[in-house]
Amino acid sequence: NAGVTQTPKFRILKIGQSMTLQCAQDMNHNYMYWYRQDPGMGLKLIYYSVGAGITDKGEVPNGYNVSRSTTEDFPLRLELAAPSQTSVYFCASTLPDPNTEAFFGQGTRLTVV
Amino acid sequence: DAKTTQPNSMESNEEEPVHLPCNHSTISGTDYIHWYRQLPSQGPEYVIHGLTSNVNNRMASLAIAEDRKSSTLILHRATLRDAAVYYCILRRDSNNDMRFGAGTRLTVKP
Repeated sequence: NAGVTQTPKFRILKIGQSMTLQCAQDMNHNYMYWYRQDPGMGLKLIYYSVGAGITDKGEVPNGYNVSRSTTEDFPLRLELAAPSQTSVYFCASTLPDPNTEAFFGQGTRLTVV
Repeated sequence: DAKTTQPNSMESNEEEPVHLPCNHSTISGTDYIHWYRQLPSQGPEYVIHGLTSNVNNRMASLAIAEDRKSSTLILHRATLRDAAVYYCILRRDSNNDMRFGAGTRLTVKP
């Protein structure tokens, strides 16, 4: 099992550009999450999904979009990049049972200049 | 949603035990207490979780108060590799999102 895989690891965007952060998991997990982490801060939930075709907003969804067409993949889209979106982005996945652990990717470091 | 409260930072000496507290006074009966940690420049990783009874695994122990309003993550012998941010969160069946607070930054001194 590869676990949770995020691509790319690093990216520099110019203001106004768009990009998609990829997240894939091979554990057949229903639940997937996107977080951002600013320097020295905790994780903030952007969006989450409880299954293919179902997504919901988290704490800080503005400026982002998501889709979930398959169980394995949960891409995060930035349409008009802004400097405030400079952050490290983490994807996570888990099963619906709260008696199970969550798995995280290694993150995508995004800089918007 | 049930929230957790943790100290912002703690220090420990190498090879000594560390007790990391977490308060969750509004916990409900179906909430599981989870602990994750984030090593520098890495994604968070699972440490341990429990419902009512104390739990032990190869990484740590979890002590849960009898009224479940608080818990303590115990690292029996801290090493320099244990320096990380430790997060305590609650998970329940009826709540699909998984939110983290700021966690506790653990510094381990040689």
